Amino acid sequence: DTAVSQTPKYLVTQMGNDKSIKCEQNLGHDTMYWYKQDSKKFLKIMFSYNNKELIINETVPNRFSPKSPDKAHLNLHINSLELGDSAVYFCASSRIPAAGELFFGEGSRLTVL
Amino acid sequence: GQNIDQPTEMTATEGAIVQINCTYQTSGFNGLFWYQQHAGEAPTFLSYNVLDGLEEKGRFSSFLSRSKGYSYLLLKELQMKDSASYLCAVRDSGTGAGSYQLTFGKGTKLSVIP
Repeated sequence: DTAVSQTPKYLVTQMGNDKSIKCEQNLGHDTMYWYKQDSKKFLKIMFSYNNKELIINETVPNRFSPKSPDKAHLNLHINSLELGDSAVYFCASSRIPAAGELFFGEGSRLTVL
Repeated sequence: GQNIDQPTEMTATEGAIVQINCTYQTSGFNGLFWYQQHAGEAPTFLSYNVLDGLEEKGRFSSFLSRSKGYSYLLLKELQMKDSASYLCAVRDSGTGAGSYQLTFGKGTKLSVIP
């Protein structure tokens, strides 16, 4: 069983489209995250949720909207996609917000043409 | 905020020892973490240090000096499969759940050659 799973793994789309990435964890963790890894491999946090509540919201365009229907799920919706949104998006979870051991999903590679 | 610095690339020989350094400047500190990321894969947790000193875990060890804002990851008996990027990450301190943010450095790409 995959601990943190995200879909889709690959996404190719045109500029201006709207797309979503879904994430689920079966570890019973309280905290989930979205990270963006750009072409230079820099891993940068976007959002964090603890028990469905938003606790970290970095400087991210408001075209990006996370949603956590329950503590096992954290989805990411992106409106009006731009070329610069092309990256690998990683979902992760941790037992609590203070835990430094994050468990990452396999990543979703988004390519905007 | 956090400023984390580590070398971009390193090369080492199979069977050797390599040390990957990480320096950080932070407004608050609550732990330093090392992650390994193979090409095209997700990062995986390797080790963490909260107090000064050396933490050993098999072939991998991590050292921390909080007064110097310095850590290193030591890999012994290098194997080809150790070729990967190694990410240093620092956890914030402070009050409130959102303060425990984990900020990653840009990673060191290690190539192990025969």
